[in-house]
Amino acid sequence: KNQVEQSPQSLIILEGKNCTLQCNYTVSPFSNLRWYKQDTGRGPVSLTIMTFSENTKSNGRYTATLDADTKQSSLHITASQLSDSASYICVVINSGTYKYIFGTGTRLKVLA
Amino acid sequence: SQTIHQWPATLVQPVGSPLSLECTVEGTSNPNLYWYRQAAGRGLQLLFYSVGIGQISSEVPQNLSASRPQDRQFILSSKKLLLSDSGFYLCAWSRSLAGANNEQFFGPGTRLTVL
Repeated sequence: KNQVEQSPQSLIILEGKNCTLQCNYTVSPFSNLRWYKQDTGRGPVSLTIMTFSENTKSNGRYTATLDADTKQSSLHITASQLSDSASYICVVINSGTYKYIFGTGTRLKVLA
Repeated sequence: SQTIHQWPATLVQPVGSPLSLECTVEGTSNPNLYWYRQAAGRGLQLLFYSVGIGQISSEVPQNLSASRPQDRQFILSSKKLLLSDSGFYLCAWSRSLAGANNEQFFGPGTRLTVL
């Protein structure tokens, strides 16, 4: 069954600290994996996209990793800012159906 | 550049009333269009997608319907709302269904509350 699971469900950190969000998936066949940031009450915005052959990809203070063998991905946020407070959603695209399989997200809150 | 609009931003409707949510895309032609629902604590659920005018694919049986009367317009409707229709509705577009251009761009969403 195509599933995407994220952990933790929620996370609270202090401004300036680093954090890592986890994503495990069972989607097959695999096309690519995306991390989206969703501010409260807004639509998701893409942060990174990773294909099967990519292990690491960075976008500013965001670094995503992918282990296609273990079907795990992580999103590392460095030197967190108050504006990083949002939900982070892991999405895996099935290359057979081309459909997006969404995780339930990790809700991050950064405190001053 | 491309932009996607949704309206209304928020809506409170009584049970049994009709619904019409609108989504429009600017700056591109022949986009693929999608309607998602996001319930609290749940991942986004694909409701409908469309690859062209008048072409609608339904993903889950439900109380809702979709239409695409124009190339860049996608409408989500219901004849009689249920309490379970409450949620955050997101419209998205992509250049293609597959390959490098299948990135989906999301609209700002509509918060629907059915009382």
